[in-house]
Amino acid sequence: QKEVEQNSGPLSVPEGAIASLNCTYSDRGSQSFFWYRQYSGKSPELIMFIYSNGDKEDGRFTAQLNKASQYVSLLIRDSQPSDSATYLCAVGRAGGYNKLIFGAGTRLAVHP
Amino acid sequence: ETGVTQTPRHLVMGMTNKKSLKCEQHLGHNAMYWYKQSAKKPLELMFVYSLEERVENNSVPSRFSPECPNSSHLFLHLHTLQPEDSALYLCASSQDGGGTGTDTQYFGPGTRLTVL
Repeated sequence: QKEVEQNSGPLSVPEGAIASLNCTYSDRGSQSFFWYRQYSGKSPELIMFIYSNGDKEDGRFTAQLNKASQYVSLLIRDSQPSDSATYLCAVGRAGGYNKLIFGAGTRLAVHP
Repeated sequence: ETGVTQTPRHLVMGMTNKKSLKCEQHLGHNAMYWYKQSAKKPLELMFVYSLEERVENNSVPSRFSPECPNSSHLFLHLHTLQPEDSALYLCASSQDGGGTGTDTQYFGPGTRLTVL
């Protein structure tokens, strides 16, 4: 079992729709959860992070965390073609140093 | 711009060459990281430095040699690489790297390395 799993996609959604990206993780000791966006040929860019169960909203983005189910998701409302990218889920745990485990990413395609 | 810069942005080298990648962060962070990103694979953590001390060497071959002279600069020295080492090499930094589990990492633009 991979430590952090994401569906590779592509996830195709029409412009204006809600895109839902999912991520599961195996380590129950995980404490921090990050979503990064990566455009083709570019480096990962932080979108948002979440530490506590529930929802966290930032503009058009909402992160949802369910530690009991070991599941974290990212919702993108009013999707735009400029949101087309690969979205990376990263999971961190306390102790030692700040090590993040990354999923392989989900490619999102928003079509006009 | 995230405040993390990397040079060069592109590098082509032969298997017998020696080259170095440079990373500099302007964020006042205390931890710096090297990652490797190959096509269709997750980001792979290579090395972690916290307060200039190496705290992680993630089973990386000795042909990759990191150096962290101060908390703002990180180097990756390359020698006798193999074609399978061709990848995007990313540098990141975070505030403390102190294992709170809530430290946020910010990435530089990366160096696209091609080994012939």
